[in-house]
Amino acid sequence: SQELEQSPQSLIVQEGKNLTINCTSSKTLYGLYWYKQKYGEGLIFLMMLQKGGEEKSHEKITAKLDEKKQQSSLHITASQPSHAGIYLCGAPLRGSNYKLTFGKGTLLTVNP
Amino acid sequence: NAGVTQTPKFQVLKTGQSMTLQCAQDMNHEYMSWYRQDPGMGLRLIHYSVGAGITDQGEVPNGYNVSRSTTEDFPLRLLSAAPSQTSVYFCASSSGLAGVGETQYFGPGTRLLVL
Repeated sequence: SQELEQSPQSLIVQEGKNLTINCTSSKTLYGLYWYKQKYGEGLIFLMMLQKGGEEKSHEKITAKLDEKKQQSSLHITASQPSHAGIYLCGAPLRGSNYKLTFGKGTLLTVNP
Repeated sequence: NAGVTQTPKFQVLKTGQSMTLQCAQDMNHEYMSWYRQDPGMGLRLIHYSVGAGITDQGEVPNGYNVSRSTTEDFPLRLLSAAPSQTSVYFCASSSGLAGVGETQYFGPGTRLLVL
């Protein structure tokens, strides 16, 4: 089955620093979703990537899907305490357009 | 537009009890699903539905039942709760297929503790 590996598992940064979270697949990705989750809350959709080399930005968060469509990175510029939370990547399971499989998440802490 | 709503927010059950987790969406989405989230395991798909009257199993369906009688509602039933079902449960919906770029919208979750 397709697995998504996220790294790092957790990350502590000082406010204002840049950071990158990676999501790697053992198989070609046919779509990659990034979500953010605050403790005790649901998942908030951030971005979706489909094409190799695609890059999308929203405010200070940029996500990129590599040309081979097996790795995605999420980059936060000038981090703020509001960026803290768990970041999850998800992708459709091979052979099923509907079912999403998720990575185990990256816990981000931003210290003021 | 409330999006995806879930009730209850918290629930404590004793082993062997049954209960239903409610999920509703007001976006007229055809696709709905249930996930559970456990530490170190991430999100795992329990059951999903591609429309009213149509459901199918996900990765971890054992111990759970679903039905979809309307487009709006997708309840998850625990038939005989076990401590292994202690988890946070999320319901999600989307208007189309994930593989063609449709976004899944998630509810706020139900925290379940089985003693």
